[in-house]
Amino acid sequence: QVQLVQSGAEVKKPGASVKVSCKASGYTFSDHYMHWVRQAPGQGPEWMGWVNPKSGGTVYAHKFQGRVTMTRDTSISTAYMELSSLTSDDTALFYCARAGGDPGTFGMDVWGQGTTVTVSS
Amino acid sequence: SYELTQPPSVSVSPGQTASITCSGEGLGDKYVCWYHQKAGQSPALVIYQDNKRPSGIPERFSGSNSGNTATLTISGTQAMDEADYYCQAWDSSHAVFGGGTKLTVL
Repeated sequence: QVQLVQSGAEVKKPGASVKVSCKASGYTFSDHYMHWVRQAPGQGPEWMGWVNPKSGGTVYAHKFQGRVTMTRDTSISTAYMELSSLTSDDTALFYCARAGGDPGTFGMDVWGQGTTVTVSS
Repeated sequence: SYELTQPPSVSVSPGQTASITCSGEGLGDKYVCWYHQKAGQSPALVIYQDNKRPSGIPERFSGSNSGNTATLTISGTQAMDEADYYCQAWDSSHAVFGGGTKLTVL
């Protein structure tokens, strides 16, 4: 079955970086863009951007531009999201989510289980 | 930046119809998706491209989008439908989420 399995929880100090991985299985990895979404405690989802697994091309939300990097390794069907200059506001669940089709029109049809990132001194 | 507005909460009795709205400027000209999120779980897509249901989503879920408002309608609401619901639209290939609506079935 189609699934996305994310890396485990992280605890980071302010100013550090975190890199979260998302391993896809059950479908052709390069056929679907991958989104990343942040959800702070008690808040709604917040879109961070997407990566095109075929080309490596990316589109980032303006809020995260300059601080986020999304990459992929097609040989192991894995997408990555790295966020730098962490602050306490980045304490959140981070999800990868597969684009069901054209990333500008289709929804995010498969979601990972989420990775908790805690930023604390 | 583009914003989507949802009511914080909606209540419905079992078996009745629940309607959750999502408002944004010119929203009818954009594609809208809807997700539900149950406590402790990842969001799940229930409607995409305004009114299409992914496989496995019951027919009681439907969507519409016109003018400045999109609506998610749940007919014959069941206790299992109690969750947070989020609308999401595309603005120049950037995804924007609404603030969410807590659906209570009582």
